[in-house]
Formats: sequence, C-alpha cells, structure tokens
Amino acid sequence: AQTVTQSQPEMSVQEAETVTLSCTYDTSESDYYLFWYKQPPSRQMILVIRQEAYKQQNATENRFSVNFQKAAKSFSLKISDSQLGDAAMYFCAYRSPGNTPLVFGKGTRLSVIA
Amino acid sequence: DAGVIQSPRHEVTEMGQEVTLRCKPISGHNSLFWYRQTMMRGLELLIYFNNNVPIDDSGMPEDRFSAKMPNASFSTLKIQPSEPRDSAVYFCASSLRGGPGGEQFFGPGTRLTVL
Repeated sequence: AQTVTQSQPEMSVQEAETVTLSCTYDTSESDYYLFWYKQPPSRQMILVIRQEAYKQQNATENRFSVNFQKAAKSFSLKISDSQLGDAAMYFCAYRSPGNTPLVFGKGTRLSVIA
Repeated sequence: DAGVIQSPRHEVTEMGQEVTLRCKPISGHNSLFWYRQTMMRGLELLIYFNNNVPIDDSGMPEDRFSAKMPNASFSTLKIQPSEPRDSAVYFCASSLRGGPGGEQFFGPGTRLTVL
C-alpha cells in the first residue's frame, strides 16, 4: 500500500518570504499523481497544485511550485512571496491511476507572520 | 456547476442516535469518495464508488457504518447507532474517470458531533 509522509507538523514563514513544505511517499507504481491540498479554517479542501509522475517538468501555479524527485520519492511544495491568506493546513496526497482514492499525509500547519 | 454538495454542514446528536450524511457529486462524475478527518488519524478513506458500485469499503470502521449510492447523483453515509468517537469531519469527493490530472473535487464537509 502507498504511504505519504509529511515530517513537518508545523511551519512558519514571514510575510513575503519563501517557505518549502516537505513530502515523501512510498510506492511501487511507476505512474501516479501527486497533489498538494490547502485546508484553511473554513475546512474546505482546495487543490493547490498537481503533478503527474510521468512528467519530468515540475508543476507551477503562480506563487506555488513543486520540486518533484521521482527517484527519491519526494514532492515538496514551495510557496514564494508568502501572504497572510496562505496560512492553513497543507496536505500532500498520492493517487494511483484510474478512479482511485487519495492517500493523504498527516498535514503541515503553516503560519504566516506579518 | 455548484460543485460537490454535502448536507448537513453541521450535525450535533446524542450517542445512540442514527445519523445520515448526504452527498450530491458533480454532474457527470462517475466516482464518489467518502473520507473522514480526525485529529488523531488525519484524512482517511471510508468507502468509494465507481459508477454507483461500491469498490472498497475496507475503511468503514465497523458495522455501524453503511453507505449507499442509489443513483449517480446521490449518496448517503449512515451511522447507526452513533458514538462519541464518531465525532469528526466527513468529506465527500467526486471525480471523473479520465478527467484531467486525476483531480478529486471535495464538498465542504459535514462536522459531526456526537455527545
């Protein structure tokens, strides 16, 4: 079974600075999807960014980018120019191909300091 | 599209009572997932359906939990009888097989409190 590990329960960053959240996963599959979800206090799960394993190029979405290291099974999230609205829980998730469930890490709580 | 709809948003009940959570997936999506979020266990899968058929219910904690998907536009998660340890946020999510990027779309969740 696949597992996802987020080793940083909490992180903090100064407003306008850059922060990197770590995620590692374990799988024997060669094709899969990886995601970062944001969960603000409203508890709504919001997709931040996704990465298909077959793509070598790291995904980017505005201020959010990933460092995908397939051989190392690592998938970190970098948030540039951090904003107060970025404060939330961030979950790393893995999904096998097809309509399969997400496997989540335990999450990282990000605080943004003004 | 209105997105995934869940009701109720909040439910407070007493131990021993029956609880029914409802979910309407995004129109056209053919997979539906029920997840539970707790402080201790994080986000975990309870059960999921493909084309209204239950595929994996190994995450359902015990026989007190049951889920149905009578048609493509509606699913229920029932707890009978409820216990305080069932207190959690329950999420429903849907996706489209072959959809771009394998994304799942989440509902707003139901916060359940069992006293």
